[in-house]
Amino acid sequence: KAGVTQTPRYLIKTRGQQVTLSCSPISGHRSVSWYQQTPGQGLQFLFEYFSETQRNKGNFPGRFSGRQFSNSRSEMNVSTLELGDSALYLCASSFPQGGYTFGSGTRLTVV
Amino acid sequence: DAKTTQPPSMDCAEGRAANLPCNHSTISGNEYVYWYRQIHSQGPQYIIHGLKNNETNEMASLIITEDRKSSTLILPHATLRDTAVYYCIVRVSPNSGGSNYKLTFGKGTLLTVNP
Repeated sequence: KAGVTQTPRYLIKTRGQQVTLSCSPISGHRSVSWYQQTPGQGLQFLFEYFSETQRNKGNFPGRFSGRQFSNSRSEMNVSTLELGDSALYLCASSFPQGGYTFGSGTRLTVV
Repeated sequence: DAKTTQPPSMDCAEGRAANLPCNHSTISGNEYVYWYRQIHSQGPQYIIHGLKNNETNEMASLIITEDRKSSTLILPHATLRDTAVYYCIVRVSPNSGGSNYKLTFGKGTLLTVNP
């Protein structure tokens, strides 16, 4: 059974640009969550989608947005990139017993 | 803010049991205790979760105190590959009918297994 797939694995962008990250959940999982991990702030919740609807949102500026498609695949977008957006972005899909399964993440570097 | 308190680091000898404590004194009646671990630069890995009874799976055991204010994750025979940051999290179950299922991570415990 395939796990949570995130693409790309690594990304380098310039300040001011925008970026789109992709997440394919485990087949049959309808909930997808996104997290940002930085050395200073640790793992922080960005948002969660369930059946194409945003169900929860963390405390991030509006530059961070996401969406979920009918096949449960999800994308997150960050516009007007800042140096502080450099982080590991993790996607997780819901596990039948309630535990989330995480992908390996996308490491974004903003220069 | 995280609703759990964990020691920042612990050491364990290879082959011995690793007992990782977690305090969650403000846990609500419908909140479960979840444990995840993260090996450097990888996504967090689900280990185990429980509500009030002790739980065991192929990876670990979870002991929850009767008042549910604290718990202990037990790795019965730690190996070098168990070196990781372990996170204790409390959250409602997605099956509870509520809407706030997010995982709120604290700083976790860095477990170092020594040869």
